[in-house]
Amino acid sequence: NAGVMQNPRHLVRRRGQEARLRCSPMKGHSHVYWYRQLPEEGLKFMVYLQKENIIDESGMPKERFSAEFPKEGPSILRIQQVVRGDSAAYFCASSPVVQGNTEAFFGQGTRLTVV
Amino acid sequence: GENVEQHPSTLSVQEGDSAVIKCTYSDSASNYFPWYKQELGKRPQLIIDIRSNVGEKKDQRIAVTLNKTAKHFSLHITETQPEDSAVYFCAASSGGANNLFFGTGTRLTVIP
Repeated sequence: NAGVMQNPRHLVRRRGQEARLRCSPMKGHSHVYWYRQLPEEGLKFMVYLQKENIIDESGMPKERFSAEFPKEGPSILRIQQVVRGDSAAYFCASSPVVQGNTEAFFGQGTRLTVV
Repeated sequence: GENVEQHPSTLSVQEGDSAVIKCTYSDSASNYFPWYKQELGKRPQLIIDIRSNVGEKKDQRIAVTLNKTAKHFSLHITETQPEDSAVYFCAASSGGANNLFFGTGTRLTVIP
């Protein structure tokens, strides 16, 4: 099991461009979560997805950010018209379909730098 | 919503000493409390977790205690080693991994 895979590991975008971050969950996991980590800060929940469904997007900025988890392929976090303040590490986590509380396994993260 | 506070933000200890990191939470419905270790430039990794039906859990040099009445939980690392140096995050959840609220982290430095 390769674990949660994120790509790219590092992404540089100019202001106004689009950033697309990919996350492949662990095999057998159908729950995906995206978190943002600003320098020297903790992890902030952004969105929770299951296949083809957004379950909770309460942590997503209302504009420019979107996420999807299609039936086939990785989950995508899309940031349109990036600004300097979007520079952060974006972590994806996945968990299996189980009842009750369960561990979230994190990917290596994508470090987005907006120049 | 849940609010998790974590203290201290930085902690330096001599190798072999113990380290204690404390967290408080606000939502009495929270019932799952994991601790993650994040080394520089790497992913957060779960090191120990505790559920609300127990007050303490231990795994070798690491232990976590939970006081539901006071809404606080703590991480204890004994006999610290230089490789314990990292940022540690506590978290609380009432609904599984999708509802994890993280503390702001503690940067632990173990001095050889």
